[in-house]
Amino acid sequence: DMKVTQMPRYLIKRMGENVLLECGQDMSHETMYWYRQDPGLGLQLIYISYDVDSNSEGDIPKGYRVSRKKREHFSLILDSAKTNQTSVYFCASRGQGFSDYTFGSGTRLLVI
Amino acid sequence: GDQVEQSPSALSLHEGTGSALRCNFTTTMRAVQWFQQNSRGSLINLFYLASGTKENGRLKSTFNSKESYSTLHIRDAQLEDSGTYFCAAERNNNNAPRFGAGTKLSVKP
Repeated sequence: DMKVTQMPRYLIKRMGENVLLECGQDMSHETMYWYRQDPGLGLQLIYISYDVDSNSEGDIPKGYRVSRKKREHFSLILDSAKTNQTSVYFCASRGQGFSDYTFGSGTRLLVI
Repeated sequence: GDQVEQSPSALSLHEGTGSALRCNFTTTMRAVQWFQQNSRGSLINLFYLASGTKENGRLKSTFNSKESYSTLHIRDAQLEDSGTYFCAAERNNNNAPRFGAGTKLSVKP
C-alpha cells in the first residue's frame, strides 16, 4: 500500500526546545514537500526537496530547516521552537511528470 | 502573491442537492489537484487534472488552463461529503503546488 507516513501524530513542546518531524514514503518518489496548515489559510509551503541533499525554500521557510539524506525520508527541524509555530504540519511526495501528490496524515504540533 | 483563489469560502447544502466549487488562478497553471479534508484532518485525493474533465461517482472536476480556473461539482450531496475542499495548482513540474484557502462544505439532512 503506497503511502506517506508522518511521525509523530501529536507533539507538545516548550518554547525554545528543538523539534524533529519525520516523514517517510515508500514510493521512491524524488520530490517531497513540507507544508503547514493554520485555520483559514489553507496549506502553506515551507520547503521542497527534489532529491537527496537537494532542497529549496518554499514560501515560509523562516524558522525551519530540512534534511533529506535518503530518498524515502524527509525531516523538518525547528531549532528553538516558537509559539507561533503551533500548527498542523503536512508532508507530501510526488512522482515524475504529471502525477498526483500523496499527503501524510499530518503532525499536530503545540508549542507552549 | 496569491495564486489560487477559492470560492465560496463556505457552503451549506441539503442532502440530495448539488453545487459547484471554483478555483481561479492568477497565473497559468499546468495542473490542479482537488482534495477533501475530512473531520480527522486527513487530505483525501479527489482528482488530479492536467486538462479537461474527470468524473468519479457524484463528483466531477474540470480544469481550463487557458482561462485559468478549475471547478469541482458535487451532485446528490450526502452527509459524509461534509468537510473542507481544497484545490492546489502547480505552475510547472519543479514548482510545488499552491493551495487555495478552502471551501468549508456542510451537508445537512
